[in-house]
Amino acid sequence: EVKLLESGGGLVQPGGSLRLSCAASGLTFNSHAMSWVRQAPGKGLEWVSVISGSGDSTYYADSVKGRFSISRDNSKNTLYLQINSLRAEDTAIYYCAKLVVAAIDGHFDYWGQGTLVTVSS
Amino acid sequence: DIQMTQSPSTLSASVGDRVTITCRASQSIRSWLAWYQQKPGKAPKLLIYKASTLESGVPSRFSGSGSGTEFTLTISSLQPDDSASYYCKQYNHYWTFGQGTKVEIK
Repeated sequence: EVKLLESGGGLVQPGGSLRLSCAASGLTFNSHAMSWVRQAPGKGLEWVSVISGSGDSTYYADSVKGRFSISRDNSKNTLYLQINSLRAEDTAIYYCAKLVVAAIDGHFDYWGQGTLVTVSS
Repeated sequence: DIQMTQSPSTLSASVGDRVTITCRASQSIRSWLAWYQQKPGKAPKLLIYKASTLESGVPSRFSGSGSGTEFTLTISSLQPDDSASYYCKQYNHYWTFGQGTKVEIK
């Protein structure tokens, strides 16, 4: 059974930083690209970033480009999202999601339960 | 960027009703569309991919259709467990979600 477990969220001041993690199990981790998707309170879903199975390709939504950095450690079956220069509008639940293939292509078939990031002074 | 427009934003229907949700893309996405169900406090769950392929384990009352720019999600006989928000998502060029449709049971 595929399981994705996010951690690292919390309350942070504007301008601050956080590192989110997503621990994966029940899959051959490096065979799947992985993505982060966020959901502001009471709002819809917004794609944030994606990384290939090997980790050598990454893409970002324009809203986070230059502030967020996605990475993965395939030896630890873990996905990361470094988020810097946080703004109030970054307040959201951050979900990690698994793609069906290693390439940056296709849909997301499994999601974690999410970790809440709150940006407030 | 590809924009996705879902309608309606909310709908209320009775158990047993046939329910249809529409999703329109701002440009052709061929059949690269997925539908997700999200219940309050839970992660999204994949229902349908490639516009009409039912994900394993998803009840057959759910179906998807369409190609190009117009897509629909149909629930053939609404059940109490179907009370949730539903999102379409294009994956022709990166990923973009529709704004969601909240389905309520009368």
